[in-house]
Amino acid sequence: EDQVTQSPEALRLQEGESSSLNCSYTVSGLRGLFWYRQDPGKGPEFLFTLYSAGEEKEKERLKATLTKKESFLHITAPKPEDSATYLCAVQASNTGKLIFGQGTTLQVKP
Amino acid sequence: KAGVTQTPRYLIKTRGQQVTLSCSPISGHRSVSWYQQTPGQGLQFLFEYFSETQRNKGNFPGRFSGRQFSNSRSEMNVSTLELGDSALYLCASSLALGGILYNEQFFGPGTRLTVL
Repeated sequence: EDQVTQSPEALRLQEGESSSLNCSYTVSGLRGLFWYRQDPGKGPEFLFTLYSAGEEKEKERLKATLTKKESFLHITAPKPEDSATYLCAVQASNTGKLIFGQGTTLQVKP
Repeated sequence: KAGVTQTPRYLIKTRGQQVTLSCSPISGHRSVSWYQQTPGQGLQFLFEYFSETQRNKGNFPGRFSGRQFSNSRSEMNVSTLELGDSALYLCASSLALGGILYNEQFFGPGTRLTVL
């Protein structure tokens, strides 16, 4: 069964304290892995797409990496405005459906 | 470029009623997907429409249905509402080049449905 697990569920960081969020997945044929950011009361905002193991993408303080079994979202020197829930999703090549993890809620304190 | 829009943004209904939610995708996007988001279950896939045809369906009862119009706008309907249907309903559109769900999906702000 296709499955996505994110850890930790919640993460509290001090401003400037770098860390990583994990997304482990089991899927029968990966078409793509997606990272989204969601602020309270809003829809998810697209961040990155990764297609194959070894691929990396960067945007400001965020860097996403992909292996055959998991993806990491590295946050370097976070700021309070980075506080949000970060969602990981995989798209299975056989169904085309997006399967989301439960998310990691990040709080960055000044 | 305008993003995905959803109407209404908030709805309050009572058990047994039915509800229709609307989604307008990004211009040029032909695929529209619907999701239900709750604190306990997270984001769960409802269904996906492409060129007015339902192409994928999640594990939801038949009370949940949808359709897509020729201009790619989509509606979803929930009949005989239950308390557990209270959730944020999200619509996402995708370019879907070549008829395949392509690349990233862009989400609307959602419709917050409360069932009393």
